[in-house]
Amino acid sequence: DIQMTQSPSTLSASVGDRVTITCRASQSISSWLAWYQQKPGKAPKLLIQKASILEGGVPSRFSGSGSGTEFSLTISSLQPDDFATYYCQHYNSYSATFGQGTKVEVK
Amino acid sequence: QVQLQQWGAGLLKPSETLSLTCAVYGGPFSGYYWSWIRQPPGKGLEWIGEINHSGGSNHNPSLESRVTISGDTSKKQFSLKLTSVTAADTAVYYCARGTYYYDRSGSLLRSPIDSWGQGTLVTVSS
Repeated sequence: DIQMTQSPSTLSASVGDRVTITCRASQSISSWLAWYQQKPGKAPKLLIQKASILEGGVPSRFSGSGSGTEFSLTISSLQPDDFATYYCQHYNSYSATFGQGTKVEVK
Repeated sequence: QVQLQQWGAGLLKPSETLSLTCAVYGGPFSGYYWSWIRQPPGKGLEWIGEINHSGGSNHNPSLESRVTISGDTSKKQFSLKLTSVTAADTAVYYCARGTYYYDRSGSLLRSPIDSWGQGTLVTVSS
């Protein structure tokens, strides 16, 4: 089974900061990686698919990169609405695995 | 805009069977894959399994022996059954939808989950 490991688990930042979250796969997953944002009490929201394709309506301050085993989600200028928990997810034709999550909190 | 409405028992005793159903409104049932994901209180997301466009199912290996996921195309519903529950199965359970697409070579590929139900808190306690 493919394991997904995110770092850091918690990230303290201020509005306007550039933040980067990393996700590592235990084996190559090509670009089959998605990023979700989840706020307390809500279902996750899809931000990025195929490692770098931004979903419609998602602000351009979000970007994704990587392939193989190393991926990252970057928020270029953190906004108040961005304080949330972020998950990476590997998806393929027969399974899906989430990373353990990264909570972005107010510094 | 598709909406997923889920329901099921919210309080179970250990060893009982968890049973949840999700109905699809505002969109077709065929041509998508339908998943169940759970989230223990204060913890991360765990993929439970899914039924795919051809009616087959895939499951998380860690839960496979206890999980059944089925679908009813005529009712536009799909269901989750998880047997022999314990306190470790206490979680918010989400139903969700993912989309297929064809690439330029004609291969059927998947997009990640893009629609979610409202979530159901299931508590297992004696």
